[in-house]
This record gives sequence, C-alpha cells and structure tokens, in this order.
Amino acid sequence: EIILTQSPGSLALSPGERATLSCRASQSVTSGYLAWYQQRPGQAPRLLIYGTSSRATGIPDRFRGSGSGTDFTLTISRLEPEDFAVYYCQQLDKSPYTFGGGTRVESK
Amino acid sequence: QVQLKESGPGLVKPSETLPLICSVSGDSMTDYYWSWLRQSPGKGLEWIGYISHRGDTNYNPSLKSRVTIEVDTSKGQFSLRLTSVTAVDTAVYYCARGIFYAGGRVGRFDPWGQGTLVIVSS
Repeated sequence: EIILTQSPGSLALSPGERATLSCRASQSVTSGYLAWYQQRPGQAPRLLIYGTSSRATGIPDRFRGSGSGTDFTLTISRLEPEDFAVYYCQQLDKSPYTFGGGTRVESK
Repeated sequence: QVQLKESGPGLVKPSETLPLICSVSGDSMTDYYWSWLRQSPGKGLEWIGYISHRGDTNYNPSLKSRVTIEVDTSKGQFSLRLTSVTAVDTAVYYCARGIFYAGGRVGRFDPWGQGTLVIVSS
C-alpha cells in the first residue's frame, strides 16, 4: 500500500502567517487522486483540496494545493483563526486508499 | 445539500459484530460510492471500504475478511458490518460520499457524517 508521510508533525504560527504543509508518498500518486482534509477539534474531516490543486466548494482561495509524483504541498497563504486545525493528505490512486498521519497547525 | 448521519451501538463486546447504518439525505445515491472510514488514536484515519448504488464493493484488504457493506437506495441508507471485533476496532466511525474523478474512479470523499464513537469492551 502507498504510505503517506506528512511533515512537519506540528507547526506553531501566528494569524496572518503562511503555512506550508508537506505530504510525501512512498510511490508515485496520479495527481487526480490526491486530496487534503481539514479536521477541527470534535469535528469530522472536511474536504479542502482534491485532484492535487482543486479547491472544494466553499473553500477560500488562501488554501492552495500543489505537487506531483511523490511530493505534494498544501499552502495556507494567510492563517485565519479558524484555520488552526489538523490537516491530512489522502491518496485515492491505489487501493487501499491511505491517509497521512496529519500536521497540526497551532497558534503561537 | 447532502447530509450523512451514522447510527449504531456505542458499545460492542469483543468477538461480536459491529453494525452501523449511514442515513443519506438531500441527494440521490446514484452515481456515487458510499464509504466507511474510521479514526482511532492508534491508527489514525483508515479507509474501510465503499459500495456503489448498484452494490459494487471495494474493501480495504486489511479488513476484508471481516467487513460487509450493503446499500438500500430505497431507504437512502447504507450499512457496515464488522465481525469478530477486538479492542483495536475501537474508533470513531465515519460514513462519507465518494465522488468520481474524471478517470471514473473515486477521487475524493465529501461530505462526511459527524461520526459515531464505537468502543469495544466487555
């Protein structure tokens, strides 16, 4: 199965700062099948990005996904208070579909 | 706007079967794959499997021998049965809608239900 490794494990930033989250795959992932989710405390994961770079409905443009092959990135250009959460990448290229271990973005 | 909601027992005894139902409202079940996932502190987020409205299934090989997913489109529901549960099956279980990407395969899960905590304990 494809193993996704997310880094860093946690990130302490201030509102207004830029967050850069990494997701590295153990083998190449077709770009159409890489997604990012946000999970706030006590809530279910929410789709942010699909197909590596397409924003889901209602997701603000400060969220940007990029990458190809085995290296993918989620960038949050200017952190808003509601963006402090855990972020997961997921590959749906090969079954079983797998998730990374998550990156926690916390307020400094 | 489609909404999903999980229901089922919050406590299951070891070796027994875990039954969960996901109720879908606000959209047709046609043309999507209806999925189960779970999240535990030990294993993080894990995809369990999915079913199409026609009944085609795809299961995670690590759980395949214990999992059955069924769909009842007339009721707007799909279900999960996980047999021979142990403590490692303790998790928050989510249902979600799988949406096709251009290539005709599932490309994302959106939305997710609120989740239901299932504890395996005697």
